[in-house]
Amino acid sequence: AQSVTQPDIHITVSEGASLELRCNYSYGATPYLFWYVQSPGQGLQLLLKYFSGDTLVQGIKGFEAEFKRSQSSFNLRKPSVHWSDAAEYFCAVGAMIKAAGNKLTFGGGTRVLVKP
Amino acid sequence: EAGVAQSPRYKIIEKRQSVAFWCNPISGHATLYWYQQILGQGPKLLIQFQNNGVVDDSQLPKDRFSAERLKGVDSTLKIQPAKLEDSAVYLCASSFSTGHSYEQYFGPGTRLTVT
Repeated sequence: AQSVTQPDIHITVSEGASLELRCNYSYGATPYLFWYVQSPGQGLQLLLKYFSGDTLVQGIKGFEAEFKRSQSSFNLRKPSVHWSDAAEYFCAVGAMIKAAGNKLTFGGGTRVLVKP
Repeated sequence: EAGVAQSPRYKIIEKRQSVAFWCNPISGHATLYWYQQILGQGPKLLIQFQNNGVVDDSQLPKDRFSAERLKGVDSTLKIQPAKLEDSAVYLCASSFSTGHSYEQYFGPGTRLTVT
């Protein structure tokens, strides 16, 4: 069974500073990896996804993530944080089930606070 | 393009009562998911439909939870009777199909409080 660990529950960063959120996964086959963002009272929005190919993935809102198979990691980064990036971020791994399903397993999330 | 719609947005009930949540997916999306998100945790898949058939309900507590998608469009998730530990946000998501390349689009969720 697949699992996802996000070691940091909370991160506080100053506006304009860089941000890195950690994600470690456990999955027996080639992983399909995702990062979602959830603003208060909102549903989840997909930031980026990795299926195969280039291990550095670009997403929306200036985010990028790097897949490192040797470390079982898929860390999310942003060079310069904006106040609007304050939200909760979830890493997820996808697995095909019964050759007809796309089951996502989410990590526990990292809440990002942005200081002015 | 309209997003995934859910109602109600908030619901407060007493334990042992019943409650139902409604979801309308994005038009044309064949796959529909219900997730439970307990405060401080990531979403957990409860049930997945492909059109009106169930693909995966392995984590659905079937003694109290039920879900249906009769015409392959709207879906209803029911809890009867509710327990205190059912307090959570219930998220509905939909995708065009079941492959990995098909993004899951999430609704705003229904926040359930059981007292």
